[in-house]
Amino acid sequence: GAGVSQSPSNKVTEKGKDVELRCDPISGHTALYWYRQSLGQGLEFLIYFQGNSAPDKSGLPSDRFSAERTGGSVSTLTIQRTQQEDSAVYLCASSLRTSHEQYFGPGTRLTVT
Amino acid sequence: GDSVTQMEGPVTLSEEAFLTINCTYTATGYPSLFWYVQYPGEGLQLLLKATKADDKGSNKGFEATYRKETTSFHLEKGSVQVSDSAVYFCALSLNTGGFKTIFGAGTRLFVKA
Repeated sequence: GAGVSQSPSNKVTEKGKDVELRCDPISGHTALYWYRQSLGQGLEFLIYFQGNSAPDKSGLPSDRFSAERTGGSVSTLTIQRTQQEDSAVYLCASSLRTSHEQYFGPGTRLTVT
Repeated sequence: GDSVTQMEGPVTLSEEAFLTINCTYTATGYPSLFWYVQYPGEGLQLLLKATKADDKGSNKGFEATYRKETTSFHLEKGSVQVSDSAVYFCALSLNTGGFKTIFGAGTRLFVKA
């Protein structure tokens, strides 16, 4: 079946602009995660959605970052007034509620010039 | 706080050599432990997992044993192949109302023919 998909695959934006990154999880997966992977670094947790519960936003680095998940499926990560340090690969993953195993999308490579 | 520490890379081995990538963790409670792998140009995928102490996860010739007494989950393979060249991430997951996962920084493995 279809895996996790993300769009766009690459995004180049100017400093100060807003960007939206999209994630389509695997059908039936109620949990959805966003991570950031900077060059040569590990994965930094950003935010976690589980069904209709309030999301765990503890990893968002600043109030310029926000995310929503509509209808318990597609999620959008928004970065306002982008800065050069926001340049990274943004990864989305989904999982079944009862399973810890996460399935990752291919990521969106964001470059802020 | 909860954390994962894994050996720094890159690790360079010749084909058929023995591989060990060390991973230790700090966690409150009883986490599940994972190894994820990221092949060049691909997304992260689960390699193996263990959900309780003394469990051994295995897949594709790789093994790791959940050692509660040493808080470790070292990855091993008896004979590596060129196709094993990738970045390996150790991770833990805690059920704290959701399955928040914490990743190590990753270890890059190069296998030479």
